[in-house]
Amino acid sequence: AQSVTQLDSQVPVFEEAPVELRCNYSSSVSVYLFWYVQYPNQGLQLLLKYLSGSTLVKGINGFEAEFNKSQTSFHLRKPSVHISDTAEYFCAVSPSRSNDYKLSFGAGTTVTVRA
Amino acid sequence: NAGVMQNPRHLVRRRGQEARLRCSPMKGHSHVYWYRQLPEEGLKFMVYLQKENIIDESGMPKERFSAEFPKEGPSILRIQQVVRGDSAAYFCASRTGESYEQYFGPGTRLTVT
Repeated sequence: AQSVTQLDSQVPVFEEAPVELRCNYSSSVSVYLFWYVQYPNQGLQLLLKYLSGSTLVKGINGFEAEFNKSQTSFHLRKPSVHISDTAEYFCAVSPSRSNDYKLSFGAGTTVTVRA
Repeated sequence: NAGVMQNPRHLVRRRGQEARLRCSPMKGHSHVYWYRQLPEEGLKFMVYLQKENIIDESGMPKERFSAEFPKEGPSILRIQQVVRGDSAAYFCASRTGESYEQYFGPGTRLTVT
């Protein structure tokens, strides 16, 4: 079984400032890692994913994340946020060697960007 | 190619009634997942289906909940005799058989009064 912990439930940040959202996971098997964004009253949109290879992955909207196997972390960063980045962000994992790929999600981090 | 469609987007039911939530996967996607998002919580896996088969229902409550994905038509999540604790957002996601990546629908927000 897998579990995901998002260490910050709320992150207020000023426009054009950097932001980091922290995610740690626990799993007895190798996993794929994902970050999703959810805008109010909408579904989830994939921001980026780590499958294998380079530990620094780049996604849409200027986001990037770094996979750290020894610390079992997958933190999300953006160097300069916009008002439009106000949303809820979810870290998720799925087993990489399985035939179902069901996702286990963290509880989410609400990012509020202020002018 | 239209995305994953869910309807209704909002559903209000009184306690004891039945709720039927529909999910039309993306064209060419034969794998469907249902997730539930309770207030202030992340999404929790409920069930994974392929056409006409339930593959994994380990996240489904044992009573009152059922899911199907028939050969033709949308996937249906059915909740019988709803209770207030069923109030949540229910999301459907789909993928092809060759890919791990799931695409999410906009969700159905169920309110039980």
